[in-house]
Amino acid sequence: DAGVIQSPRHEVTEMGQEVTLRCKPISGHNSLFWYRQTMMRGLELLIYFNNNVPIDDSGMPEDRFSAKMPNASFSTLKIQPSEPRDSAVYFCASKSPSSGNTIYFGEGSWLTVV
Amino acid sequence: SQQGEEDPQALSIQEGENATMNCSYKTSINNLQWYRQNSGRGLVHLILIRSNEREKHSGRLRVTLDTSKKSSSLLITASRAADTASYFCATEGSGGSNYKLTFGKGTLLTVNP
Repeated sequence: DAGVIQSPRHEVTEMGQEVTLRCKPISGHNSLFWYRQTMMRGLELLIYFNNNVPIDDSGMPEDRFSAKMPNASFSTLKIQPSEPRDSAVYFCASKSPSSGNTIYFGEGSWLTVV
Repeated sequence: SQQGEEDPQALSIQEGENATMNCSYKTSINNLQWYRQNSGRGLVHLILIRSNEREKHSGRLRVTLDTSKKSSSLLITASRAADTASYFCATEGSGGSNYKLTFGKGTLLTVNP
């Protein structure tokens, strides 16, 4: 199994620029999560997709953040325009009905906005 | 808001000693899970305990759950330097949001060789 694949692993961008983070969930997994991790707030759920449909986006901080899942094997999280307070590690995770309640995390995208 | 809160925030022990980490939560749950995160890496699932279970073992890991106190503990026996990592508890709520795992801020465990 390749696991959950995220890109880029690291990104440094200037304030005001658009940032797009990408995720390929594990094949056969029908649930996908985007989490954000910071020292101050820990791990926060941003958005949850089930069968490519956004079910819960209540964690998306503001309109600058958007997420899409055009098909079962790809999702994006976009920040436009980016701000320094968006600096964090963004994790994508997926699970399937057969994996029970366990979710599988990618290695994260480390974002720094300067 | 955070559901699970780990205690202590940081723990430093010698190799061979046991490490105990605690987690408290606020609302009713379907299950509680423990995850491990090595520095610079993603989280890895360790063990899950359901709300109707009181204790579970997996290798050197032992998890307990006390739903009356809304608390759980993770015990790592005979620790090794390779166990150095952050450990997070995560709760899956009961009811309509049972897809959602809410994580605590973690315990940073350092095992000194």
